[in-house]
Amino acid sequence: ETGVTQSPTHLIKTRGQQVTLRCSSQSGHNTVSWYQQALGQGPQFIFQYYREEENGRGNFPPRFSGLQFPNYSSELNVNALELDDSALYLCASSTGLSGGMADTQYFGPGTRLTVL
Amino acid sequence: GENVEQHPSTLSVQEGDSAVIKCTYSDSASNYFPWYKQELGKRPQLIIDIRSNVGEKKDQRIAVTLNKTAKHFSLHITETQPEDSAVYFCAASSSNTGKLIFGQGTTLQVKP
Repeated sequence: ETGVTQSPTHLIKTRGQQVTLRCSSQSGHNTVSWYQQALGQGPQFIFQYYREEENGRGNFPPRFSGLQFPNYSSELNVNALELDDSALYLCASSTGLSGGMADTQYFGPGTRLTVL
Repeated sequence: GENVEQHPSTLSVQEGDSAVIKCTYSDSASNYFPWYKQELGKRPQLIIDIRSNVGEKKDQRIAVTLNKTAKHFSLHITETQPEDSAVYFCAASSSNTGKLIFGQGTTLQVKP
């Protein structure tokens, strides 16, 4: 198992509510990426944080926002929840770049979000 | 835009047979290609990865090949075992973005 942890494990919210998901990166990693995985699909990139700065964003609306803290842990915040936001949210930590190429990303166990 | 196509979507083999999963990517700047195995309800686990400066990599029963000219890469599993049954995802990434673009996944079933 990786050293990446996420909380909570499961969450149930209703439409319009807000949610905060948390991720602790593996020791020595300074980069955290967040992904949304709908049922039966591959993970979709939401955004990446490198040393507390956003370092790339996928096709997600501004109501998806994030933070990275000095200890490199991270939060994903989603406002105005919609039914389609129901998914497994995965974070992955890495060291960013290795020899000019993207480094290996290690995934946490995910947070299963259900929006009713 | 950036895209990764993965085939087949499902694959059923007999125990001991080989399994091959193929992926094609669109972004010519891609230079890192990991493969993840995801069991039901669990996190994606890295099983092997390859970078664009090599054409093939092997780790015991698992191998990955990369053809940069054709922009495709493949996962080969030999001597399959029932515990290899899972969903397998290929992904591609470039150093420009660091983000992983995933394929749609392949459900591999190994029958005893």
